[in-house]
Amino acid sequence: DTGVSQDPRHKITKRGQNVTFRCDPISEHNRLYWYRQTLGQGPEFLTYFQNEAQLEKSRLLSDRFSAERPKGSFSTLEIQRTEQGDSAMYLCASSPTGTGGMDGEQYFGPGTRLTVT
Amino acid sequence: AQSVAQPEDQVNVAEGNPLTVKCTYSVSGNPYLFWYVQYPNRGLQFLLKYITGDNLVKGSYGFEAEFNKSQTSFHLKKPSALVSDSALYFCAVRDMAQAGTALIFGKGTTLSVSS
Repeated sequence: DTGVSQDPRHKITKRGQNVTFRCDPISEHNRLYWYRQTLGQGPEFLTYFQNEAQLEKSRLLSDRFSAERPKGSFSTLEIQRTEQGDSAMYLCASSPTGTGGMDGEQYFGPGTRLTVT
Repeated sequence: AQSVAQPEDQVNVAEGNPLTVKCTYSVSGNPYLFWYVQYPNRGLQFLLKYITGDNLVKGSYGFEAEFNKSQTSFHLKKPSALVSDSALYFCAVRDMAQAGTALIFGKGTTLSVSS
């Protein structure tokens, strides 16, 4: 399968613990996005990378959240000192540049469901 | 600010009947518009997009959508619904005038097709 993959698919953690999620985009895509989706809502944008550069961050991305894409391939999203309000599905997406450009569709992974107890 | 509204939480339709899932948007400039579908335990799947050109856009699985600039709408349609179309549908917009690339999603509409 050459789609976007995310690991783990599910994570249960206790409040105050740190968690880290991984996203592997489609290999030829150099744009990578993180979204968060809560029950009954559409995905909400968190942050965006072009290659290894983090070019855009939502105000939803508090100081406890950090994302990296060190070699311009996979990305990690870390949440420190988790809170119950962080419980959500965390989605990763990727898209190509080139002819797709800024108007290209984003391809989504299956998501990581985080439950903070 | 950019926003998307999907006024119906749920749409029910009988198999074989036409379906419409409604979407309206608000952007300051010209929009890029997208429809995605989400099946249980699976990621969002791209259905179709409007960038420019013909107002009627055809996409995957027999779906189409009509861009109406005056009504700021981008309704999703299919002439004949299948039970397998039952899923959660999201409309999304990006403002061409904005420098960012984030998609703004609606809350989603659950489509239920009965046999």
